[in-house]
Amino acid sequence: DSGVTQTPKHLITATGQRVTLRCSPRSGDLSVYWYQQSLDQGLQFLIQYYNGEERAKGNILERFSAQQFPDLHSELNLSSLELGDSALYFCASSVRTGKSHWDAEAFFGQGTRLTVV
Amino acid sequence: GQQLNQSPQSMFIQEGEDVSMNCTSSSIFNTWLWYKQEPGEGPVLLIALYKAGELTSNGRLTAQFGITRKDSFLNISASIPSDVGIYFCAGTINNAGNMLTFGGGTRLMVKP
Repeated sequence: DSGVTQTPKHLITATGQRVTLRCSPRSGDLSVYWYQQSLDQGLQFLIQYYNGEERAKGNILERFSAQQFPDLHSELNLSSLELGDSALYFCASSVRTGKSHWDAEAFFGQGTRLTVV
Repeated sequence: GQQLNQSPQSMFIQEGEDVSMNCTSSSIFNTWLWYKQEPGEGPVLLIALYKAGELTSNGRLTAQFGITRKDSFLNISASIPSDVGIYFCAGTINNAGNMLTFGGGTRLMVKP
């Protein structure tokens, strides 16, 4: 158990809909990362938050957004869903300041499997 | 964007054999990490490397951070059936965000 909790574990929704994925980081971790894993693209970084502020952005679509709340949990919002958004979405967290390369040790949750039909 | 080329894509070995897989990039990486993913689970961190030339072990696993900072390898000695899974290399290129760039994975299958 990595200590990172993601809910829900599975989600099936229709095209055009909006969903929210939730992540609780490990206790004490300030950084939260979101990754997408699909068969054709592999594991891709989407976005990072550190202590409530956006720290880095990857190949995240404009239809997707995220936020980190004062209690450090994070939510990833996916809207106007398309079939191609079907994938595993992982949250990871890491400790320390967010400014040191030691923070690279990210611990992953079990993921949310999103299926868009 | 940056890419990590991981090889081999898959391996089917006999229990007890040693395994070697590697990752290369055209970019210089500040850190290298190796993860293992099993079906229905998230990636689990196995080894983290922070300095060029660093050699680190975790039980039967040994990984090295290449001298050029553009490559890393992972060795598994005396494989056992529970080693089955997908092994990913990952790295960070800058210190600001620490987002990970992942390789495509090596699928390891072990025959008892």
